[in-house]
Amino acid sequence: DAGVTQSPTHLIKTRGQHVTLRCSPISGHKSVSWYQQVLGQGPQFIFQYYEKEERGRGNFPDRFSARQFPNYSSELNVNALLLGDSALYLCASSLSPGLSGYTFGSGTRLTVV
Amino acid sequence: KQEVTQIPAALSVPEGENLVLNCSFTDSAIYNLQWFRQDPGKGLTSLLLIQSSQREQTSGRLNASLDKSSGRSTLYIAASQPGDSATYLCAVRPDNAGNMLTFGGGTRLMVKP
Repeated sequence: DAGVTQSPTHLIKTRGQHVTLRCSPISGHKSVSWYQQVLGQGPQFIFQYYEKEERGRGNFPDRFSARQFPNYSSELNVNALLLGDSALYLCASSLSPGLSGYTFGSGTRLTVV
Repeated sequence: KQEVTQIPAALSVPEGENLVLNCSFTDSAIYNLQWFRQDPGKGLTSLLLIQSSQREQTSGRLNASLDKSSGRSTLYIAASQPGDSATYLCAVRPDNAGNMLTFGGGTRLMVKP
């Protein structure tokens, strides 16, 4: 049974560019959350989606956006990239927002140069 | 605003030692607390999930306790092995409508052979 899958695993972008990160949750999981982890720190919450609706948003600028598709996969978009956006972006899925723990993917390592 | 602190930030022990990692949180109104393991550059692996009504959870050599009223959790690792070397993160989920996890900064553990 596949876990949470994220793509790509690594990418390098230039300041000002746009990036799209993708996540497929565990089969049957309808909730997807996104976290940003800067080197040496704990993950910070960005978004949560459940049944294609946004259920939570962290303290991130409007350059960050996300959506969830009918098959419950999700995309995280970041516009006008800054050097400070360099981080490991983690996706987590759960059965529903409230009932169970979260299962994380291996993350996408984004480097902005 | 919930804040989660993990002490120590780094720990080095010889193989075979029993050890305790600490996690404290400022708001005791939590739904559950989850301990994760993170290997360098990798995603998060869930170790233990403790619901707010529980006092502890055990899995193999790992035991996690929760004292909600004092805002503390501990992760006990028995008979440590070099393969236990990793960063250990605790995360709390609030018991209100919020679904985000708030993470501590992690404890970086090194077990020497």
